[in-house]
Amino acid sequence: KAGVTQTPRYLIKTRGQQVTLSCSPISGHRSVSWYQQTPGQGLQFLFEYFSETQRNKGNFPGRFSGRQFSNSRSEMNVSTLELGDSALYLCASSPRGSGSSYNEQFFGPGTRLTVL
Amino acid sequence: EDQVTQSPEALRLQEGESSSLNCSYTVSGLRGLFWYRQDPGKGPEFLFTLYSAGEEKEKERLKATLTKKESFLHITAPKPEDSATYLCAVPSFGGYQKVTFGTGTKLQVIP
Repeated sequence: KAGVTQTPRYLIKTRGQQVTLSCSPISGHRSVSWYQQTPGQGLQFLFEYFSETQRNKGNFPGRFSGRQFSNSRSEMNVSTLELGDSALYLCASSPRGSGSSYNEQFFGPGTRLTVL
Repeated sequence: EDQVTQSPEALRLQEGESSSLNCSYTVSGLRGLFWYRQDPGKGPEFLFTLYSAGEEKEKERLKATLTKKESFLHITAPKPEDSATYLCAVPSFGGYQKVTFGTGTKLQVIP
């Protein structure tokens, strides 16, 4: 099976712009989660989607949003970019999710976002 | 709020020198603990899930154990290819796939 794919791999934006990142989960996985990883804070949970519904959200401002499509592919959007948004954004998919929690997650390679 | 603390932050070992990494956690009801390995420039790679105190799992030179307050990742006779950052994570209460990650232990194995 193909792994989790994320596009683009690298992105450079300036403050105030917005950005959309894309994630394609492993075939058959319906749960997709997004994380932000920075050297100072480590991996921080952004949100999780299952069957096109957001089930969980981390402690991030409303500038961070996401969605999931019927084919389980997911996108996240960050509006009004700030310098502090520079990070590695990771997407992870999970094999189960409906009524069965806490499964192992399979991560993509990430999108490296640099905000200038 | 759930908390996960990993120690040490960094560890340098000679090839063949066994050691252990620690992950201590504070959660409102443990529902599992995950270990991941992350190589530079890549996403974390799943290693183990442990569900109850006393449980152990092994994979090649790695063995993960779990107590009521902490987990250990034992590395036996490590090789340079074991160099990576090792992350542990715990699911949040009622949180489906919402997990809290520790900041990791960066392991370097010197030939």
